[in-house]
Order: sequence, then structure tokens, then C-alpha cells
Amino acid sequence: GQNIDQPTEMTATEGAIVQINCTYQTSGFNGLFWYQQHAGEAPTFLSYNVLDGLEEKGRFSSFLSRSKGYSYLLLKELQMKDSASYLCAVLDSNYQLIWGAGTKLIIKP
Amino acid sequence: IAGITQAPTSQILAAGRRMTLRCTQDMRHNAMYWYRQDLGLGLRLIHYSNTAGTTGKGEVPDGYSVSRANTDDFPLTLASAVPSQTSVYFCASSDGSGGNTGELFFGEGSRLTVL
Repeated sequence: GQNIDQPTEMTATEGAIVQINCTYQTSGFNGLFWYQQHAGEAPTFLSYNVLDGLEEKGRFSSFLSRSKGYSYLLLKELQMKDSASYLCAVLDSNYQLIWGAGTKLIIKP
Repeated sequence: IAGITQAPTSQILAAGRRMTLRCTQDMRHNAMYWYRQDLGLGLRLIHYSNTAGTTGKGEVPDGYSVSRANTDDFPLTLASAVPSQTSVYFCASSDGSGGNTGELFFGEGSRLTVL
């Protein structure tokens, strides 16, 4: 079966750095996506990786290793507004998105 | 700029009743999707449509139906609601040319409670 694993919850301190990991086993691979979802709101697109390596976008970076079935989302200079759930999703061989359950990130002052 | 509009935002429904969740987008996206989101689970695809006039079944289609008469509208119908359909429902769209690019735009969600 297809499976995406990410930690259920993480806690970090304002101003610090946090890394959210995602491992996947899917039938085929056409890209990995990270979404941010604030409580009670809709998910919003953060990043996309299809080739191995690091993609940087401001305070957020996303890394992919296809051979290891592994990705991480790196958030730097954490702000209170970064408190949210972060969803990892993989586009499989049928171009359907397979979603992880999400990682709830709690930022403490 | 509306993007994707869902209605209603919240609804309490008696079991056995019929319910239609509405979804309209103004981005002229080809593909549209209905997901349900339950605590502790990832987003689960109910039905999708790659283009107007076509629909397909997702991971959890039972008890739900959809139609795609035009590009903008993609309603989701629960023919006879059951308590296990209590969930938050998200409509989404993507600008894929007949396929899913993975970058989805979501509506604000419809919280449905079936008693």
C-alpha cells in the first residue's frame, strides 16, 4: 500500500529552527509537496520538490531524497504565526496526491 | 478575488437526509477535487474531475456523488447522510492540463455534522 509518515506533533521556540521530516512509500513518484494549514483554515501550498536536493524559499526550505523516500521541511527564524499543521503529500504514478496526516507545529515564546 | 467558494461553511444534518455541498471556482482550472479531513488522518480524496463533463472516484467515494456540468461548479451530494460522514469537507482545484500538478487551491471548507 501507499504510505506517508510524518511526526504527529512538534514543539519549537520562537526564533529557532525546526525540521519536519516526511518519509514515503508510494506507487511511483511525480513530486512531493508541502502544505501549511492553520487551525480551522484551508491548506495552502508551500513548496514542491521533484528532483533531489534543497529548494529554498525565504525562511522555508524543502529537501528531497528520492532514493531514500525522504523529505524534510526546514523552517528558520520561527515566528508565532508559523504555528500550524504541515502536510506532506506525494504525487503518485497516477498523478493522484497521497497525503500524510500532518505535523502539528507548536511555537512557544 | 474569490478563488474557490464553498457553501455552506457549516451544517448540522439529521441522519438519512440528503445534502449537497456546493463548490464554485473562478480561476478556470480544469481539475477539481473533493476531500474529507478527519482528525488524525490525512486528507482523503472522495471524488475528482479532471475536466468538465468527466468525474472519477477517489479513495473514499461510497455514499457520495458528484457532477461537473461546467468548468466552474463541482457539487458534492450525500444521498442519505450517516454519522460517519461527519467531517470537514474541502473542495480544491488545480491548473493541470488534464492532470494533477499537485499544487492545489482549496476552498475554506464545509464542516458537516450528521446526527
